[in-house]
Amino acid sequence: GENVEQHPSTLSVQEGDSAVIKCTYSDSASNYFPWYKQELGKRPQLIIDIRSNVGEKKDQRIAVTLNKTAKHFSLHITETQPEDSAVYFCAASPMDSSYKLIFGSGTRLLVRP
Amino acid sequence: DTEVTQTPKHLVMGMTNKKSLKCEQHMGHRAMYWYKQKAKKPPELMFVYSYEKLSINESVPSRFSPECPNSSLLNLHLHALQPEDSALYLCASSQGFDGELFFGEGSRLTVL
Repeated sequence: GENVEQHPSTLSVQEGDSAVIKCTYSDSASNYFPWYKQELGKRPQLIIDIRSNVGEKKDQRIAVTLNKTAKHFSLHITETQPEDSAVYFCAASPMDSSYKLIFGSGTRLLVRP
Repeated sequence: DTEVTQTPKHLVMGMTNKKSLKCEQHMGHRAMYWYKQKAKKPPELMFVYSYEKLSINESVPSRFSPECPNSSLLNLHLHALQPEDSALYLCASSQGFDGELFFGEGSRLTVL
């Protein structure tokens, strides 16, 4: 089945710097790759997603890139702000399992003021 | 209304108790999910209902029993739980099978 690995597990950056989180997946048939942000004590919320027919997607300070050949995708946050501090989860949706998202292990991002 | 509402927010139960977690959404979503989340871990899928029918059961122990009374409601019945079942239980819904998951705030369960 699908397996998603996420790195790093923790990331500390200075406010205004960029942050990059990387994920790799194992099932080449996976075609949907969302990123969720979970603030402390809160629910996970979708921040951006990408499908396998697109290589890059951007939404203001957040961008996601997908390399299907290498089976990895990355989250890029520019001009980080303290409110970006949270746990970020990548996920992949295997083609053979509708409704099933496989989550990465999470990255705890700390933005230092 | 873009909310998924879960009750109760907190629940403490003994190993012999029977309790239920409830979830409600009014977005017209046809898929509803139960996830379990332990501290510092990702959400772990338990059950998926699609069009009010159970479509995925991730080999969850029978002490957890899901129920979908209608397209807006999802319950999780709990019986004879173990202390290791203590976790945050998240309900979610989605319009389709590969779209955004809308999570509730969760029910934090403690089993004594």
